[in-house]
Amino acid sequence: EPEVTQTPSHQVTQMGQEVILRCVPISNHLYFYWYRQILGQKVEFLVSFYNNEISEKSEIFDDQFSVERPDGSNFTLKIRSTKLEDSAMYFCASSDKGFAKNIQYFGAGTRLSVL
Amino acid sequence: GQQLNQSPQSMFIQEGEDVSMNCTSSSIFNTWLWYKQEPGEGPVLLIALYKAGELTSNGRLTAQFGITRKDSFLNISASIPSDVGIYFCAGRTYNTDKLIFGTGTRLQVFP
Repeated sequence: EPEVTQTPSHQVTQMGQEVILRCVPISNHLYFYWYRQILGQKVEFLVSFYNNEISEKSEIFDDQFSVERPDGSNFTLKIRSTKLEDSAMYFCASSDKGFAKNIQYFGAGTRLSVL
Repeated sequence: GQQLNQSPQSMFIQEGEDVSMNCTSSSIFNTWLWYKQEPGEGPVLLIALYKAGELTSNGRLTAQFGITRKDSFLNISASIPSDVGIYFCAGRTYNTDKLIFGTGTRLQVFP
């Protein structure tokens, strides 16, 4: 069964460093998303991406964050200068449809630990 | 902002029991989804609901889209140990792909 793949599974970084979280969405999907989940809390939307541009972003997704689809298979989330409060699980999701019949399939996540 | 309140927050039940959890909001949603999350994993889709009043089953799981479009419930019948995990509802409003997740219901099943 096709699945969303995320790497690395765990990333440890020093505060102020840049990190890139990588995702390989399901191959025929066109809509891509990043969510995050702080330990013990609910999953929160960060950004949606379609047709090589951001469709929607949350208040969390400030200037320190960026997304990119560098080639036909990868979808990345970059945090330019990490802060302690960026420590969380980051989930990538993808869908083959937008809006009404949009079903988002999630990867296993990358745990980001900022020290 | 929009919020989804899930209840109960946690449940401790014996194997074989039925389980019911719900999700409520002050806002109207056009789609309701139910996901299960196990430790160290991402959310896995269980059931998707698209119309008010819709009742959908997936094996031992049944979910309903509330008539008011402000709530949804999930039932699990005859629970088994592998049902353990955190169950999240997620809603989507009109004209957006963004999912708003509920606060989660942690389910523990004892043999």
